[in-house]
Amino acid sequence: EDQVTQSPEALRLQEGESSSLNCSYTVSGLRGLFWYRQDPGKGPEFLFTLYSAGEEKEKERLKATLTKKESFLHITAPKPEDSATYLCAVQYYTGNQFYFGTGTSLTVIP
Amino acid sequence: DTGVSQNPRHKITKRGQNVTFRCDPISEHNRLYWYRQTLGQGPEFLTYFQNEAQLEKSRLLSDRFSAERPKGSFSTLEIQRTEQGDSAMYLCASSLETGMREKLFFGSGTQLSVL
Repeated sequence: EDQVTQSPEALRLQEGESSSLNCSYTVSGLRGLFWYRQDPGKGPEFLFTLYSAGEEKEKERLKATLTKKESFLHITAPKPEDSATYLCAVQYYTGNQFYFGTGTSLTVIP
Repeated sequence: DTGVSQNPRHKITKRGQNVTFRCDPISEHNRLYWYRQTLGQGPEFLTYFQNEAQLEKSRLLSDRFSAERPKGSFSTLEIQRTEQGDSAMYLCASSLETGMREKLFFGSGTQLSVL
């Protein structure tokens, strides 16, 4: 069973068109949920950590939120430089592994 | 400190050869992780170290894979008798584990191509 599911797999937006990416997790006992940005041929770049339901974090045009079963990454008025793959990862109290989703590939068209 | 460093960035090898990758973590970080990523997939856990101790290995990890972290500093990942299925991006990440809160910081990865 997949620990983390991300949707959609791919998203194309016009510049300025706001949207949200989803990350859902299936196991209880969440220790932390993490969002990363990954550019082609590079390692993931840390964006946010969320630890408890109701928590929100913001950075420039990105805002991450967390509920008991899922997290959203909201992108407000995106620019072409926001084009990347956005990865979600979770860590549970039962271990130290970080489980990653398959990511959402975002393309922002000028 | 410029972050997690991985070498080489790219490696092309022939099937059956051995390869070794190096990771230099952020200096004060006590944990070091190795992940593997193939195109269109998220990173897949391989193993991790706390200081010099290897605490966990993926059940999917073949016996051909071995990792070390002598003295709790840099780490090496060796793949023996490479196979075409080993072609992937190998990512190293480090973290400072303090209590229950931990964040992974990744290097740029080593792209392995097995011909």
